[in-house]
Amino acid sequence: QSALTQPPSASGSPGQSVTISCTGTSSDVGGYNSVSWYQQHPGKAPKFIIYEVNKRPSGVPDRFSGSKSGNTASLTVSGLQADDEADYYCSSFAGGNKEVFGTGTKVTVL
Amino acid sequence: EVQLVESGGGLAQPGGSLRLSCVVSGFTFNNHNMNWVRQAPGKGLEWISYISSGSRTISYADSVKGRFTVSRDNAKNSMYLQMNSLRAEDTAVYYCAREVTFSLKGNDYWGQGTLVTVSA
Repeated sequence: QSALTQPPSASGSPGQSVTISCTGTSSDVGGYNSVSWYQQHPGKAPKFIIYEVNKRPSGVPDRFSGSKSGNTASLTVSGLQADDEADYYCSSFAGGNKEVFGTGTKVTVL
Repeated sequence: EVQLVESGGGLAQPGGSLRLSCVVSGFTFNNHNMNWVRQAPGKGLEWISYISSGSRTISYADSVKGRFTVSRDNAKNSMYLQMNSLRAEDTAVYYCAREVTFSLKGNDYWGQGTLVTVSA
């Protein structure tokens, strides 16, 4: 199972928006509405911020939003804040109770 | 408060073995499927194993299949990962993660991780 493809980096100024893509195949991203996104600060465990493509767990601000088109999912962080500077990972159900993560994107707040 | 605490990491020689544990609290463990996810130093997340709530269904990533064995003891609120035939490329922080019950996939709570280093 190959990792989902994400851009290595993305950046934006405070208050701006940044969008991260996550490209898979019809066997994972394109085949199921089961894409999740995680935020990871250095030295910390990942934090669950999006599930089922575009749903937010309780407590996650609506500045975080997700979408999907075909084999590519996207995460948009609006109204960038300093604390949004982190690594972001997508993941997708890949059949057979397996899941696959993306390669990760480092978001820098300029 | 939901808590997941991994232990058992450390230094192992190539070809050696380690057993990781994940002890949970703050929720009904036997209601949740669980996963092990690892992260090599400076690298991304890699899913490596899944175990269903009642241990009936187990899955592994190809990278660890045949070498790693996942198990759980619901009476002890614990999950385990037996790692055999360790390789240098198994060096990583190993996280246990709780799957959500309200969606097909997604891990809503994670432990702090335990570091496994495989080196001679």
